[in-house]
Amino acid sequence: AQSVTQLDSQVPVFEEAPVELRCNYSSSVSVYLFWYVQYPNQGLQLLLKYLSGSTLVESINGFEAEFNKSQTSFHLRKPSVHISDTAEYFCAVSDRARDDKIIFGKGTRLHILP
Amino acid sequence: NAGVTQTPKFRVLKTGQSMTLLCAQDMNHEYMYWYRQDPGMGLRLIHYSVGEGTTAKGEVPDGYNVSRLKKQNFLLGLESAAPSQTSVYFCASSYSRGGAYNEQFFGPGTRLTVL
Repeated sequence: AQSVTQLDSQVPVFEEAPVELRCNYSSSVSVYLFWYVQYPNQGLQLLLKYLSGSTLVESINGFEAEFNKSQTSFHLRKPSVHISDTAEYFCAVSDRARDDKIIFGKGTRLHILP
Repeated sequence: NAGVTQTPKFRVLKTGQSMTLLCAQDMNHEYMYWYRQDPGMGLRLIHYSVGEGTTAKGEVPDGYNVSRLKKQNFLLGLESAAPSQTSVYFCASSYSRGGAYNEQFFGPGTRLTVL
C-alpha cells in the first residue's frame, strides 16, 4: 500500500530564511503528489500539486516542490519565509494506477522565528 | 459559493451519548470524505462516499456510521461516544477520487470532546 513519510514533525526557521520540508512516498509506477497547508484553526487547503509534465511545480505564494522519481521524493521549498507562512504542511500522494484514495503524511509544523 | 461547511463547530459529549456531524458542499462534487485529525497522527480517513447513496469504510471506521442520502450532504454519526473519539473532524469533497481532478476541498472542522 502507498505510504507517505514526512521526516520532520516540526521545523523552526528564522523569518526571511530558506526552508525545505521533506516528503518521501513509497514507490509506485505512477502517482499524483500534493502539498496541503493548514493555517491555525482552519481546514486544509491545496498549496500545489504535481500531476504530470514539469517536475518543478510552484504555488502562488512562493513555494515550490520538485518531483524526484528516482528518490521518490516531493520536497517543498521556499527561498525566504514570512511570518504568515506559519502553518502545518501535509504531503499527500494518490496512486494513479490503482485509482486509490489520497494518502496524507503526518504533517510538518513550520514555526517562523522573528 | 460556500464551499464545504460543517455543523457544529464545537461539541462536548459525555461518554455514551450520540451525535451527528453534518457536512454540506455546494460544488456538485461526487466524492465526499470524513477524516479525523489527532496530534502526531496526521489525517486518518474514517469513511467516504463516491456518490449519492453510497458509502465505504476508510482507515478507522469503527465506532462511526455515515449516510449520503443527498449528493450535497454527508453525515457522520457517533452512536455511543467514547473518549478515544475526542478529535477534530474534517469533511472534504472532490470531483473524483482518483485522477487529475482529485484535489480535496476541506471544511473548517468540528472540534469534538468526549468526557
